[in-house]
Amino acid sequence: DTAVSQTPKYLVTQMGNDKSIKCEQNLGHDTMYWYKQDSKKFLKIMFSYNNKELIINETVPNRFSPKSPDKAHLNLHINSLELGDSAVYFCASSQRLVNEQFFGPGTRLTVL
Amino acid sequence: GQSLEQPSEVTAVEGAIVQINCTYQTSGFYGLSWYQQHDGGAPTFLSYNGLDGLEETGRFSSFLSRSDSYGYLLLQELQMKDSASYFCAVRAPMNRDDKIIFGKGTRLHILP
Repeated sequence: DTAVSQTPKYLVTQMGNDKSIKCEQNLGHDTMYWYKQDSKKFLKIMFSYNNKELIINETVPNRFSPKSPDKAHLNLHINSLELGDSAVYFCASSQRLVNEQFFGPGTRLTVL
Repeated sequence: GQSLEQPSEVTAVEGAIVQINCTYQTSGFYGLSWYQQHDGGAPTFLSYNGLDGLEETGRFSSFLSRSDSYGYLLLQELQMKDSASYFCAVRAPMNRDDKIIFGKGTRLHILP
């Protein structure tokens, strides 16, 4: 009965590769998010999807592209990975205009 | 610009009371949330203040003063399991929706 799940939990890859992280929520929420948490624990929002529409697109490189096949899924695809992309990526979901966000367990991405 | 300020670290003794402050400067404001994150874990929602005053949830309370752009999280009867990072987060208008902006987190150390 996991609320927000992400796969994989760990991802180690070489610079220049392309990778995807998957996220699914079974809470019936209509908004999903991707956050990046760096080594200093700074949690920064990257994207938000509401009813399959991108409503926030922070100043992240266009190598990052969110894809939402339906409102229960928001995947993150990253092209041409760089060393600076190493971080923990969290998926989250909420019901629009409700204050509580539910976070997934995180994906630790290490780029070598 | 938009910014949230909170202390980077706070140390307290088991059984004591500790207050973690947060000041914010944002263009627009709906409310202030607090999240807890244990090492290796995901952020979890603690509380939300949309109006001025104190909200109490068990051992945790959160306060907001909109006129002062200030809030705090109060933890009472501290337990070792409360050792974690605590993030304040502002919900602010963004285009035709809203967004959550997280502070950089306060690392709470609890001494036995």
